[in-house]
Amino acid sequence: AQSVTQPDIHITVSEGASLELRCNYSYGATPYLFWYVQSPGQGLQLLLKYFSGDTLVQGIKGFEAEFKRSQSSFNLRKPSVHWSDAAEYFCAVGGYSGGGADGLTFGKGTHLIIQP
Amino acid sequence: DVKVTQSSRYLVKRTGEKVFLECVQDMDHENMFWYRQDPGLGLRLIYFSYDVKMKEKGDIPEGYSVSREKKERFSLILESASTNQTSMYLCASSQTAGGIYEQYFGPGTRLTVT
Repeated sequence: AQSVTQPDIHITVSEGASLELRCNYSYGATPYLFWYVQSPGQGLQLLLKYFSGDTLVQGIKGFEAEFKRSQSSFNLRKPSVHWSDAAEYFCAVGGYSGGGADGLTFGKGTHLIIQP
Repeated sequence: DVKVTQSSRYLVKRTGEKVFLECVQDMDHENMFWYRQDPGLGLRLIYFSYDVKMKEKGDIPEGYSVSREKKERFSLILESASTNQTSMYLCASSQTAGGIYEQYFGPGTRLTVT
Protein backbone atom coordinates (compact mmCIF):
# COMPACT_ATOMS: atom_id res chain seq x y z
CA ALA A 1 0.00 0.00 0.00
CA GLN A 2 1.22 3.47 -0.76
CA SER A 3 1.72 6.04 1.98
CA VAL A 4 3.04 9.55 2.47
CA THR A 5 4.60 11.04 5.59
CA GLN A 6 4.97 14.73 6.20
CA PRO A 7 6.91 14.84 9.47
CA ASP A 8 6.23 18.49 10.27
CA ILE A 9 2.67 19.44 11.22
CA HIS A 10 3.52 23.13 11.61
CA ILE A 11 6.46 25.17 10.37
CA THR A 12 7.12 28.84 11.11
CA VAL A 13 9.43 30.80 8.82
CA SER A 14 10.32 34.47 8.71
CA GLU A 15 9.36 36.36 5.59
CA GLY A 16 12.30 36.36 3.17
CA ALA A 17 13.86 33.24 4.67
CA SER A 18 14.26 29.95 2.82
CA LEU A 19 11.84 27.08 3.21
CA GLU A 20 12.02 23.32 3.02
CA LEU A 21 9.00 21.08 3.61
CA ARG A 22 9.70 17.40 3.99
CA CYS A 23 7.88 14.53 2.34
CA ASN A 24 8.65 10.81 2.47
CA TYR A 25 6.70 8.26 0.51
CA SER A 26 6.25 4.54 0.27
CA TYR A 27 5.22 3.04 -3.05
CA GLY A 28 5.97 -0.29 -4.65
CA ALA A 29 6.46 0.89 -8.21
CA THR A 30 7.57 4.08 -9.92
CA PRO A 31 5.91 6.86 -7.96
CA TYR A 32 4.14 9.85 -9.37
CA LEU A 33 4.66 12.66 -6.89
CA PHE A 34 2.84 15.91 -6.34
CA TRP A 35 2.82 18.94 -4.09
CA TYR A 36 -0.41 20.85 -3.57
CA VAL A 37 -1.16 24.03 -1.67
CA GLN A 38 -4.43 24.90 0.04
CA SER A 39 -5.27 28.42 1.14
CA PRO A 40 -7.87 28.79 3.91
CA GLY A 41 -11.36 27.81 2.75
CA GLN A 42 -10.15 26.85 -0.71
CA GLY A 43 -9.59 23.70 -2.71
CA LEU A 44 -6.16 22.34 -3.52
CA GLN A 45 -3.94 23.88 -6.17
CA LEU A 46 -1.14 21.95 -7.84
CA LEU A 47 2.31 23.44 -7.21
CA LEU A 48 4.41 20.90 -9.08
CA LYS A 49 4.66 17.27 -10.08
CA TYR A 50 7.27 14.61 -10.75
CA PHE A 51 6.65 11.79 -13.18
CA SER A 52 10.11 10.94 -14.54
CA GLY A 53 13.29 12.50 -15.86
CA ASP A 54 15.09 15.35 -14.13
CA THR A 55 14.84 14.86 -10.40
CA LEU A 56 14.68 18.60 -9.70
CA VAL A 57 11.33 19.97 -10.78
CA GLN A 58 10.19 23.55 -10.92
CA GLY A 59 6.69 24.64 -10.07
CA ILE A 60 4.55 27.71 -9.79
CA LYS A 61 5.07 30.56 -7.32
CA GLY A 62 8.84 29.99 -7.18
CA PHE A 63 8.67 26.52 -5.63
CA GLU A 64 10.84 23.57 -6.55
CA ALA A 65 11.13 19.99 -5.33
CA GLU A 66 13.78 17.32 -5.54
CA PHE A 67 13.05 13.62 -5.97
CA LYS A 68 15.54 11.37 -4.19
CA ARG A 69 14.77 7.73 -4.85
CA SER A 70 17.40 6.44 -2.41
CA GLN A 71 15.75 8.37 0.42
CA SER A 72 12.16 7.96 -0.79
CA SER A 73 11.80 11.70 -0.43
CA PHE A 74 10.29 14.55 -2.40
CA ASN A 75 11.03 17.72 -0.43
CA LEU A 76 9.59 21.08 -1.39
CA ARG A 77 11.79 24.18 -1.31
CA LYS A 78 11.56 27.90 -1.87
CA PRO A 79 14.54 30.26 -1.56
CA SER A 80 12.61 33.21 -0.14
CA VAL A 81 9.08 33.01 1.25
CA HIS A 82 6.43 35.69 1.03
CA TRP A 83 3.58 36.32 3.48
CA SER A 84 1.18 35.04 0.82
CA ASP A 85 2.81 31.60 1.04
CA ALA A 86 1.11 30.98 4.39
CA ALA A 87 -1.12 27.97 3.71
CA GLU A 88 -1.44 24.21 4.12
CA TYR A 89 0.86 22.12 1.94
CA PHE A 90 0.17 18.55 0.93
CA CYS A 91 2.47 15.99 -0.60
CA ALA A 92 0.82 13.17 -2.56
CA VAL A 93 1.82 9.96 -4.32
CA GLY A 94 -0.11 8.23 -7.06
CA GLY A 95 0.16 5.20 -9.22
CA TYR A 96 -1.38 3.39 -12.12
CA SER A 97 -3.05 0.05 -11.73
CA GLY A 98 -4.26 -2.20 -14.51
CA GLY A 99 -7.75 -0.83 -14.16
CA GLY A 100 -6.85 2.81 -14.49
CA ALA A 101 -5.67 5.71 -12.40
CA ASP A 102 -5.82 5.30 -8.66
CA GLY A 103 -6.73 8.06 -6.31
CA LEU A 104 -3.81 9.93 -4.86
CA THR A 105 -2.62 9.18 -1.33
CA PHE A 106 -2.00 12.39 0.56
CA GLY A 107 0.14 13.22 3.51
CA LYS A 108 -1.56 14.85 6.49
CA GLY A 109 -0.24 18.24 5.51
CA THR A 110 2.16 20.86 6.83
CA HIS A 111 0.78 24.16 8.03
CA LEU A 112 3.14 26.99 7.05
CA ILE A 113 3.15 30.14 9.14
CA ILE A 114 5.03 33.22 7.96
CA GLN A 115 6.41 35.62 10.55
CA PRO A 116 6.79 39.27 9.55
CA ASP B 1 -8.18 26.03 -17.50
CA VAL B 2 -9.80 23.01 -15.94
CA LYS B 3 -12.75 23.92 -13.83
CA VAL B 4 -14.25 21.68 -11.18
CA THR B 5 -17.35 23.02 -9.50
CA GLN B 6 -19.22 21.77 -6.46
CA SER B 7 -22.87 22.51 -5.93
CA SER B 8 -22.56 24.07 -2.49
CA ARG B 9 -19.76 25.69 -0.47
CA TYR B 10 -21.59 25.22 2.83
CA LEU B 11 -24.34 22.78 3.76
CA VAL B 12 -26.12 22.09 7.03
CA LYS B 13 -28.18 18.91 7.34
CA ARG B 14 -29.88 17.01 10.12
CA THR B 15 -28.99 13.53 11.29
CA GLY B 16 -30.75 10.90 9.20
CA GLU B 17 -31.27 13.08 6.15
CA LYS B 18 -30.24 11.93 2.70
CA VAL B 19 -27.57 14.28 1.36
CA PHE B 20 -26.41 14.79 -2.22
CA LEU B 21 -23.13 16.50 -3.05
CA GLU B 22 -22.71 17.30 -6.71
CA CYS B 23 -19.51 17.80 -8.68
CA VAL B 24 -19.12 18.87 -12.30
CA GLN B 25 -15.94 19.15 -14.38
CA ASP B 26 -15.67 20.80 -17.77
CA MET B 27 -12.55 19.19 -19.26
CA ASP B 28 -13.88 15.83 -20.39
CA HIS B 29 -11.77 14.00 -17.80
CA GLU B 30 -12.23 10.26 -17.45
CA ASN B 31 -11.50 10.07 -13.73
CA MET B 32 -13.34 11.68 -10.88
CA PHE B 33 -12.76 11.42 -7.15
CA TRP B 34 -14.37 12.25 -3.83
CA TYR B 35 -12.27 12.95 -0.74
CA ARG B 36 -13.03 14.10 2.74
CA GLN B 37 -10.68 16.35 4.63
CA ASP B 38 -10.45 16.46 8.40
CA PRO B 39 -7.99 18.31 10.65
CA GLY B 40 -4.98 16.17 11.45
CA LEU B 41 -6.08 13.42 9.06
CA GLY B 42 -5.42 15.08 5.71
CA LEU B 43 -7.40 13.96 2.67
CA ARG B 44 -8.91 10.51 2.53
CA LEU B 45 -10.33 8.94 -0.60
CA ILE B 46 -13.99 7.92 -0.38
CA TYR B 47 -14.81 6.76 -3.92
CA PHE B 48 -13.52 7.24 -7.43
CA SER B 49 -14.73 6.55 -10.93
CA TYR B 50 -12.87 5.65 -14.13
CA ASP B 51 -15.80 6.11 -16.45
CA VAL B 52 -19.52 6.61 -16.66
CA LYS B 53 -21.42 4.15 -14.46
CA MET B 54 -18.16 2.80 -13.03
CA LYS B 55 -17.13 3.27 -9.43
CA GLU B 56 -14.44 2.00 -7.13
CA LYS B 57 -14.23 2.15 -3.34
CA GLY B 58 -11.51 4.22 -1.82
CA ASP B 59 -10.14 4.02 1.69
CA ILE B 60 -13.27 5.06 3.61
CA PRO B 61 -16.42 4.21 1.60
CA GLU B 62 -18.61 3.20 4.56
CA GLY B 63 -21.71 5.34 4.86
CA TYR B 64 -21.35 6.75 1.34
CA SER B 65 -22.39 5.89 -2.18
CA VAL B 66 -21.75 7.55 -5.53
CA SER B 67 -23.37 7.98 -8.91
CA ARG B 68 -21.87 8.79 -12.27
CA GLU B 69 -24.52 8.88 -14.98
CA LYS B 70 -22.71 11.42 -17.16
CA LYS B 71 -19.01 11.82 -17.77
CA GLU B 72 -18.86 15.35 -16.40
CA ARG B 73 -20.84 14.76 -13.21
CA PHE B 74 -20.00 12.74 -10.11
CA SER B 75 -22.34 12.72 -7.13
CA LEU B 76 -21.61 11.71 -3.56
CA ILE B 77 -24.57 10.46 -1.56
CA LEU B 78 -24.90 10.16 2.18
CA GLU B 79 -27.85 7.79 2.56
CA SER B 80 -28.48 8.70 6.20
CA ALA B 81 -26.26 11.50 7.40
CA SER B 82 -24.59 11.17 10.77
CA THR B 83 -22.67 13.68 12.88
CA ASN B 84 -19.38 11.88 12.20
CA GLN B 85 -19.79 12.80 8.56
CA THR B 86 -19.37 16.48 9.36
CA SER B 87 -16.36 17.37 7.24
CA MET B 88 -14.97 19.18 4.22
CA TYR B 89 -15.68 17.26 1.02
CA LEU B 90 -13.46 17.76 -1.99
CA CYS B 91 -14.12 16.60 -5.52
CA ALA B 92 -11.34 16.16 -8.09
CA SER B 93 -10.92 15.06 -11.68
CA SER B 94 -8.07 13.90 -13.88
CA GLN B 95 -7.47 12.49 -17.31
CA THR B 96 -5.97 9.06 -17.84
CA ALA B 97 -4.89 8.72 -21.45
CA GLY B 98 -2.07 6.25 -20.88
CA GLY B 99 -0.59 7.58 -17.67
CA ILE B 100 -1.07 9.36 -14.41
CA TYR B 101 -2.05 12.98 -14.48
CA GLU B 102 -2.51 15.52 -11.78
CA GLN B 103 -5.88 15.91 -10.16
CA TYR B 104 -7.77 19.16 -10.31
CA PHE B 105 -9.82 20.05 -7.27
CA GLY B 106 -13.05 21.88 -6.69
CA PRO B 107 -13.39 24.49 -3.92
CA GLY B 108 -14.91 22.02 -1.47
CA THR B 109 -18.21 21.66 0.36
CA ARG B 110 -18.18 22.10 4.12
CA LEU B 111 -20.93 19.84 5.44
CA THR B 112 -22.24 20.11 8.97
CA VAL B 113 -24.57 17.41 10.25
CA THR B 114 -26.47 18.36 13.40
